[in-house]
Amino acid sequence: QKEVEQNSGPLSVPEGAIASLNCTYSDRGSQSFFWYRQYSGKSPELIMSIYSNGDKEDGRFTAQLNKASQYVSLLIRDSQPSDSATYLCAVVSEGGNKLTFGTGTQLKVEL
Amino acid sequence: GAVVSQHPSRVICKSGTSVKIECRSLDFQATTMFWYRQFPKQSLMLMATSNEGSKATYEQGVEKDKFLINHASLTLSTLTVTSAHPEDSSFYICSARDVERSYEQYFGPGTRLTVT
Repeated sequence: QKEVEQNSGPLSVPEGAIASLNCTYSDRGSQSFFWYRQYSGKSPELIMSIYSNGDKEDGRFTAQLNKASQYVSLLIRDSQPSDSATYLCAVVSEGGNKLTFGTGTQLKVEL
Repeated sequence: GAVVSQHPSRVICKSGTSVKIECRSLDFQATTMFWYRQFPKQSLMLMATSNEGSKATYEQGVEKDKFLINHASLTLSTLTVTSAHPEDSSFYICSARDVERSYEQYFGPGTRLTVT
C-alpha cells in the first residue's frame, strides 16, 4: 500500500515564527514531491515542487527532501495569519502520473 | 500561468437528474486531467484519470457508468454525474497536468454539487 503520512495537527505557531510541516512516504520509488495549500472550502493550490535531495527555496517557503529517509518537509518563514490553511503533501511514484496525497496538516498562525 | 477553470462553481440539482461539470486548462495544454471528490473534512479522493483522446481510467470503487468522463481536447475535460443522488453531493475538483512542467498538477476551483 503506497502511503503518504502527515500529522493532522492543528499546528499552531505565533505570527512571525517558522512553521515546520513534515511528511513521510512509503514508496521508495517515488520521484516527485509537492506541497499544496488548501483553504477551507477551496481547492488545493500548488506552492512547491521538489524532485531531488536537498533544499528548494521560493520566497518564504523552503521544501526539503531526503529520499534516503523518505521524508519531505515544508518550512514557512515569517508565518502570517493568511498562511493558516491545510497543507497537503503529495507524491508521484516512479513511472506514475497520479498524485498520492497525505491527509494534510492544519496550520494555524496566531496573532 | 497554469490556470485551470471549472464550471459551474456551484450547482443544485434534483435527485435522478444529470449534471455536467467542465474543466479547462486556460494557458497550457493538458494531455492528462484528473477528477477528484472531497467530502467535508476529508482528503481528496481521486476518482479517475482523463486522457485526451482515449477512455478515462477509473479508480477502484468508482462507477464509470455513473461518472462519465470525456476529454475531447487538450484543454477540456468534462465529468457528468448521471442519475445523481443525495449521496453524490460533494466537492468535485479537477486538475490538469502541464506537460511542460513534469508532474506538476494544477487544480481548478472546484464545483460544489448538492443533490436534493
